[in-house]
Amino acid sequence: GAGVSQSPRYKVTKRGQDVALRCDPISGHVSLYWYRQALGQGPEFLTYFNYEAQQDKSGLPNDRFSAERPEGSISTLTIQRTEQRDSAMYRCASSLVGGTNYGYTFGSGTRLTVV
Amino acid sequence: AQKITQTQPGMFVQEKEAVTLDCTYDTSDQSYGLFWYKQPSSGEMIFLIYQGSYDEQNATEGRYSLNFQKARKSANLVISASQLGDSAMYFCAMRGPFTGGGNKLTFGTGTQLKVEL
Repeated sequence: GAGVSQSPRYKVTKRGQDVALRCDPISGHVSLYWYRQALGQGPEFLTYFNYEAQQDKSGLPNDRFSAERPEGSISTLTIQRTEQRDSAMYRCASSLVGGTNYGYTFGSGTRLTVV
Repeated sequence: AQKITQTQPGMFVQEKEAVTLDCTYDTSDQSYGLFWYKQPSSGEMIFLIYQGSYDEQNATEGRYSLNFQKARKSANLVISASQLGDSAMYFCAMRGPFTGGGNKLTFGTGTQLKVEL
């Protein structure tokens, strides 16, 4: 697609429920990144993929968070047994190659609210 | 570990004036990249400018320039001729070396810029 597409734009869920956030990167982009942004803060790295391989998951807060990109295109970030502290904007970004000098294209994000 | 520090939570500037947004960074790597992003109230993240650690000249992109002082580990963003549409949150970010898992960006806490008439 023309840009990085994330769905849903907004998600309200009850504490303890599982949620799946989707990211559709720019067509042909090799690298895909997940970030989390709390209100008034900068984005915080969660994980990233080159093609279908998860290269770095050091930013995932705990084992309730997981991500996959099975065919090297669309990625899903899953949060199990959600907690109120998981409420944040979850952003996906993609780049043509890893570590491009020309920045990373970010999606509009998914605003997750856990009630 | 890499760290980005933005010490100005908020800044005001008069329309048509220039403004400098501060960014300092901490890294032990020799090879790294520095980015600035703009986040308007709509929430999107807009790439503005990039500076590589080995680039000898300061990066420029239209009204944006990056004042890179490597010895001081600073990468300040200069916006010339401010416009009302420049009002937004601005984030400085750093990417580590290409090897050793350096693809992730580390962001600062941001500076909220407001351009006034």
